[in-house]
Amino acid sequence: DSGVTQTPKHLITATGQRVTLRCSPRSGDLSVYWYQQSLDQGLQFLIQYYNGEERAKGNILERFSAQQFPDLHSELNLSSLELGDSALYFCASSDGGVGHEQYFGPGTRLTVT
Amino acid sequence: AQKVTQAQTEISVVEKEDVTLDCVYETRDTTYYLFWYKQPPSGELVFLIRRNSFDEQNEISGRYSWNFQKSTSSFNFTITASQVVDSAVYFCALSENQAGTALIFGKGTTLSVSS
Repeated sequence: DSGVTQTPKHLITATGQRVTLRCSPRSGDLSVYWYQQSLDQGLQFLIQYYNGEERAKGNILERFSAQQFPDLHSELNLSSLELGDSALYFCASSDGGVGHEQYFGPGTRLTVT
Repeated sequence: AQKVTQAQTEISVVEKEDVTLDCVYETRDTTYYLFWYKQPPSGELVFLIRRNSFDEQNEISGRYSWNFQKSTSSFNFTITASQVVDSAVYFCALSENQAGTALIFGKGTTLSVSS
């Protein structure tokens, strides 16, 4: 158990809908990362937050957004969903230091039908 | 640009065989960090090891060992006396000092160990 929690574990929704994925980091970690894992793109970095502020952006679509709250939990919002958004979404946390290991949650499997 | 290549897509071995998973990286940064993660069939990503670019010392942890060679930009992972429980997808990842702390992952190597 990494100490990172993600809810829900599975999510099935229709195209055009909006969903919210939730992540709670390990105790003491200030940084949260979101990654997307799909068969064609592999594991891709989406976005990072550090202590409530956006720190870095990767290949995140404009239809996607995230935030980190004062209690350090984070939410990833996916809107106008398309079939191609079906993937496993991971949250990871770390203390935010450069080069420090990230600990991953169990992931949320999103299926868009 | 940073890149991680895991040329072996799938490897199949029989229990007790040794197996090496290859990882080659590209970076222009002089300070960088390399990682290995394991993704078992249950799906979670498990951290295995981190190495920084200034530490080329090889590491051994039980049946696992890692060989870091800057001259060939490689960070290979060897499992000695493989076991069925080692069956998983293994990912090599890179983080650059100048690019922040996000991980750039390779495509992964699927290891199947049969009894």
